[in-house]
Amino acid sequence: QVQLQESGPGLVKPSQTLSLTCSVSFGSINTGGYYWSWIRQFPGKGLEWIGYIHHSGSADYNPSLRSRVTISVDTSKNQFSLTLTSLTAADTAIYYCANCRETNWFDLWGQGTLVTVSS
Amino acid sequence: DIQMTQSPSSLSASVGDRVTISCRASRSISSWLAWYQQRPGTAPQLLIYKASTLNSGVPSRFRGSGFGTEFTLTISSLQPDDFATYYCQQYQSSYTFGQGTKLELK
Repeated sequence: QVQLQESGPGLVKPSQTLSLTCSVSFGSINTGGYYWSWIRQFPGKGLEWIGYIHHSGSADYNPSLRSRVTISVDTSKNQFSLTLTSLTAADTAIYYCANCRETNWFDLWGQGTLVTVSS
Repeated sequence: DIQMTQSPSSLSASVGDRVTISCRASRSISSWLAWYQQRPGTAPQLLIYKASTLNSGVPSRFRGSGFGTEFTLTISSLQPDDFATYYCQQYQSSYTFGQGTKLELK
């Protein structure tokens, strides 16, 4: 069974850039039909899709975050990454990596990593 | 953007009860709807996709229905493991989630 694991800093200062990595285990990131995604969950529990990337490098982003987000993939390491710039306290959330099946539903999630934006 | 609105926001029930959670889309999403269950401290887990198709391993007491803008998740006989928060999610246009329905033990 494919597993996903997020890694990255738990605390970031306002205006700085967040970088998170998701490692894919017991499966290949090159699997057809899989779109590797980032989703965040705010303290009030709301969920927001951030974006996804295909192993080919094709990516799509939430329009509300497009100007600040980049998702990249490293097939040699079986990983994909999130970069989010110009952070504010409103970006404080649990960040999940997830697999989006055929650009539809999210059928596999990592355990999530809490990111707090604070000075 | 397609907005997803769930009702109720919270619900108290007992083991063995039948419960229904509603999800409304701001415009038609055909059958492009998924349901997730989230237990405290864990990631959401996919229950249902295409409005009514059970994900592998999901018990048959879970049932999804609906089309267009109105959808429901029904749990026919609540088990202790079912007390959790449930989210709907549309994938007709980009991806948006409902605000969640917390199912609590009465």
